[in-house]
Amino acid sequence: DVKVTQSSRYLVKRTGEKVFLECVQDMDHENMFWYRQDPGLGLRLIYFSYDVKMKEKGDIPEGYSVSREKKERFSLILESASTNQTSMYLCASSLALGLGVHNEQFFGPGTRLTVL
Amino acid sequence: AQSVTQLGSHVSVSEGALVLLRCNYSSSVPPYLFWYVQYPNQGLQLLLKYTTGATLVKGINGFEAEFKKSETSFHLTKPSAHMSDAAEYFCAVNEGPNSGYALNFGKGTSLLVTP
Repeated sequence: DVKVTQSSRYLVKRTGEKVFLECVQDMDHENMFWYRQDPGLGLRLIYFSYDVKMKEKGDIPEGYSVSREKKERFSLILESASTNQTSMYLCASSLALGLGVHNEQFFGPGTRLTVL
Repeated sequence: AQSVTQLGSHVSVSEGALVLLRCNYSSSVPPYLFWYVQYPNQGLQLLLKYTTGATLVKGINGFEAEFKKSETSFHLTKPSAHMSDAAEYFCAVNEGPNSGYALNFGKGTSLLVTP
């Protein structure tokens, strides 16, 4: 069974703290993604990575950074957490195109982050 | 850029009634289209996808969707709603190579099923 896991389901942090959200997939996928989900706004792409040590900005990268040192792990970093980063964060992964698949993304269960 | 519009942020149906969730997209290239479902406090799960070929796509839990190129639509239907179908539903379109083939999601439709 395909699996994307996220390090925490719920997280509470204080303004100004450095926050790490970890995501691990066991499907040997090339692509990994970080989204945030807010009511009425759907899912918005923060960053994605198509290979180890590669990263690309999504639609809302401000205030975030990412790290991909190993193929199976993609970390989202909030350098200095702010209250407007309170949200649900979803990690996803997919195979690279050209391998007979069409970008179906597999999602983790999400991390609900509250910044006080 | 591709975009997705889901008409109706909330849809309410009676148990046993037809479910229809609307999705329209804009795309300059042939799209890959997806419907995902999210149950409370969970991640997203793929319901079905359209890539090429047959325009009527069947998915899990009795859902299906029809790709209509002339209407740029990919509406999701189920003949008879069940209480367990209550969830948030997202339509998504493939973004193409420049975005690493990320998905562009609609804002979601919350489905309420009443007894």
